[in-house]
Order: sequence, then C-alpha cells, then structure tokens
Amino acid sequence: DIQMTQSPSSLSASVGDRVTITCRASQGISRYLNWYQQKAGKAPKLLIYAASSLQSGVPSRFSGSASGTDFTLTISSLQPEDFATYYCQQSYSTPWTFGQGTKVEIK
Amino acid sequence: EVQLVESGGGLVQPGRSLRLSCAASGFTFDDYAMHWVRQAPGKGLDWVSSISWNSGSIDYADSVKGRFTISRDNAKNSLYLQMNSLRAEDTALYYCAKEGTGTTGTHYFDYWGQGTLVTVSS
Repeated sequence: DIQMTQSPSSLSASVGDRVTITCRASQGISRYLNWYQQKAGKAPKLLIYAASSLQSGVPSRFSGSASGTDFTLTISSLQPEDFATYYCQQSYSTPWTFGQGTKVEIK
Repeated sequence: EVQLVESGGGLVQPGRSLRLSCAASGFTFDDYAMHWVRQAPGKGLDWVSSISWNSGSIDYADSVKGRFTISRDNAKNSLYLQMNSLRAEDTALYYCAKEGTGTTGTHYFDYWGQGTLVTVSS
C-alpha cells in the first residue's frame, strides 16, 4: 500500500497568514493527489485534484503543487472559515490512501 | 444539485451484520463509480470499498475483504454496503462518495454524503 505522510499534524495560524501543508508519498504517484477540507461535524470537501487543479467553487487562495513524491497545499491568506482539518489522498493505486490529516487552528 | 444520503447505521453487536444504503440524486448515477469511506471517532479518513459504474470492477480494503460486500442498483440510484462479521474496529461514520474523473485520468471524491454512524459494541 502507498503511505501518505502529512506534516505538520497540526498548526496554529492567524487570519491573513500564509499556510503550507505538505504530503509525502511512499512511492511515485504521478500527480494522482487530491486535497480535502473537513470542518468539525461535516463531510470532507474536495479542494484540489490532480495535485494542482482547483475544484469548481473553491476560493483561489487555495493552491496545490507537486515535486516528485512531495505535494503541497498552500492557503495564501488564511480566512476564518479555513480553520479545519486538511487531508491529502492518493488515487494512483488501490487501496486509495489518505494522509493522517493536518488540523489548522486559530492562534 | 448532487445529493448523497446514507442510511442504515446503528448499534450492532460484534459478529452481527448491517446493511448500509446511499441514495443518490442530482447526477446520472450509472455514469460514475462510487465508494464507501469511513472515519472512526476522532480519527482520519479510511477508504473502504469501490464499485465501477456497471459493477464490473469492485475493490476492498484488506481490513474488510471477505466480510463486506459493495453493490449498486442503477435503476434505483442506490449504493449499498453489506457488512458481515462486524468487529469493534469497524465502528465509524460511513460516508458514501461519488468518484470524479479529471481530464488527465486522475480520480477523486468530488461529492460526499453526510455519513451514517455504525457502532459495534456488546
């Protein structure tokens, strides 16, 4: 199985901050990497697919990038509604696996 | 508007069975693969099973293989998960998710239901 390792597991940030979350795959997954946002008590929501494609309706402050087996989700200017847990997920091969999540909290 | 509504969760004793359902609307159900993803209380996301649009391709996580069966009824726009020999570690919120496909062939979960809670306990 492909292991997805996210870092950090949590972070504290202020409104307006630039936030970066990293996800590393245990083997090459091309660009088959997706990012989701999950707010407390809610279902996950797709933010980014194919490493850097923005899902329709998602604000442009969210962006994704890839370099080899390392993937990054960036929030350019953190907004109050962005405090949530973020997950990466690979769809290169089954079982589709998720990172352990990164909780973004208010500083 | 795409809607996925799960049902069938509840409290069940270890070793017993439960059948989850997911009613889909707002899209052409038989055009898309569908998945079940679960989340144990306070934990992360865990893919469980997938089924192709015509049920021709089915896959399971090793943790449920041989115990769970995924199926779909395209005439009823419904997805199912038959769960047998349930264990305490199967306790989770079970989400139904629609698979989307990008232009480069990548896959992702583009819509999720709100989940149905399965609790396995004596």
